[in-house]
Amino acid sequence: QKEVEQNSGPLSVPEGAIASLNCTYSDRVSQSFFWYRQYSGKSPELIMSIYSNGDKEDGRFTAQLNKASQYVSLLIRDSQPSDSATYLCAVNMDDYKLSFGAGTTVTVRA
Amino acid sequence: GAGVSQSPSNKVTEKGKDVELRCDPISGHTALYWYRQSLGQGLEFLIYFQGNSAPDKSGLPSDRFSAERTGGSVSTLTIQRTQQEDSAVYLCASSATGFGETQYFGPGTRLLVL
Repeated sequence: QKEVEQNSGPLSVPEGAIASLNCTYSDRVSQSFFWYRQYSGKSPELIMSIYSNGDKEDGRFTAQLNKASQYVSLLIRDSQPSDSATYLCAVNMDDYKLSFGAGTTVTVRA
Repeated sequence: GAGVSQSPSNKVTEKGKDVELRCDPISGHTALYWYRQSLGQGLEFLIYFQGNSAPDKSGLPSDRFSAERTGGSVSTLTIQRTQQEDSAVYLCASSATGFGETQYFGPGTRLLVL
């Protein structure tokens, strides 16, 4: 079983719609969770970090964490063409090591 | 301040040659990571440095790969006797203390082994 699994893409959504990205992880003691965005040919950049159960909102992005279900999600509201990228879920497995999912590619159709 | 920097941005080499990739972390960050990302794949952990502690080398794929970090700052990843399967983007990241914190990535070095 992979340590971090993301829903397979690609995910295509129309402009203005909500894009929903899901991630499950295997280590029950993980405490830190991150969503990174990676444009084609670029390096990952942090969108959101979340550490506590519940929702965390930042602009059009909302991260949701449920540690009991070992599940973290990212919602992108009012999707824009500039949101077209690959989204990586990352979970800390040890004190310092992050495990990354394979990523979900999102395409926002104008 | 400046972000994580890496050099070179691109490297083309012939099979069997050695290459050195450099990473300069964010000033003051004690934790430094190297990852490899093959085309269309996720990030593969290679090695982790934390201050003056012994590095975690558990992700290095073979003994042809080595890395060092001098003075707790700049790091060099060396690949000896390169193979075509080493072709990938090598990403460096740093974080303030390394304990479950955000990692900030450099632009990467794109390595192509012919």
